Amino acid sequence: QQKVQQSPESLIVPEGAMTSLNCTFSDSASQYFAWYRQHSGKAPKALMSIFSNGEKEEGRFTIHLNKASLHFSLHIRDSQPSDSALYLCAVGSNTNKVVFGTGTRLQVLP
Amino acid sequence: DTTVKQNPRYKLARVGKPVNLICSQTMNHDTMYWYQKKPNQAPKLLLFYYDKILNREADTFEKFQSSRPNNSFCSLYIGSAGLEYSAMYLCASSSWGSQNTLYFGAGTRLSVL
Repeated sequence: QQKVQQSPESLIVPEGAMTSLNCTFSDSASQYFAWYRQHSGKAPKALMSIFSNGEKEEGRFTIHLNKASLHFSLHIRDSQPSDSALYLCAVGSNTNKVVFGTGTRLQVLP
Repeated sequence: DTTVKQNPRYKLARVGKPVNLICSQTMNHDTMYWYQKKPNQAPKLLLFYYDKILNREADTFEKFQSSRPNNSFCSLYIGSAGLEYSAMYLCASSSWGSQNTLYFGAGTRLSVL
């Protein structure tokens, strides 16, 4: 049974700071690793995903995957108040099953 | 258009009564998911369809049913609602093998009284 855990549970950072969110998973055969963001009252929306070890950058966001460590992370450069939201990590298997973590609540202070 | 629609947005049900939630997507996605979300908890996968094949999670196998009469439509059925079913129910769809991104609907908030 896949277990997905996130840290920290919540985070408060000043505007302009670098923010780092972490996700660990238990199934080494997992193939899909993604971050979703959910603003209050809205549906979760995909931010970015990665399928193989390494790093991927899109604008201010970078995702880093280390399968051997069963860990991936999201880094937000120059954090903005509009980045304040619940961040969910997601891990998928080759059977289409996608499991989410409990989330990290991020608040960026102006 | 990347829209997943859920109906209704809010649902009030009595203990012991059935509940039927509806989800639709127009993206021709092969996979549709149902998640249950309670405050301060991870979205819990209840079941998903890949094409016409239904996969139900072992710990919720007997509590939830689903049907997918066509590619665009998927329902979630609770035969006898209990207080513990009060939650947000999120439907999502994806095209597995093509980025695998899940597109979520706005959710149905179910309150069981």
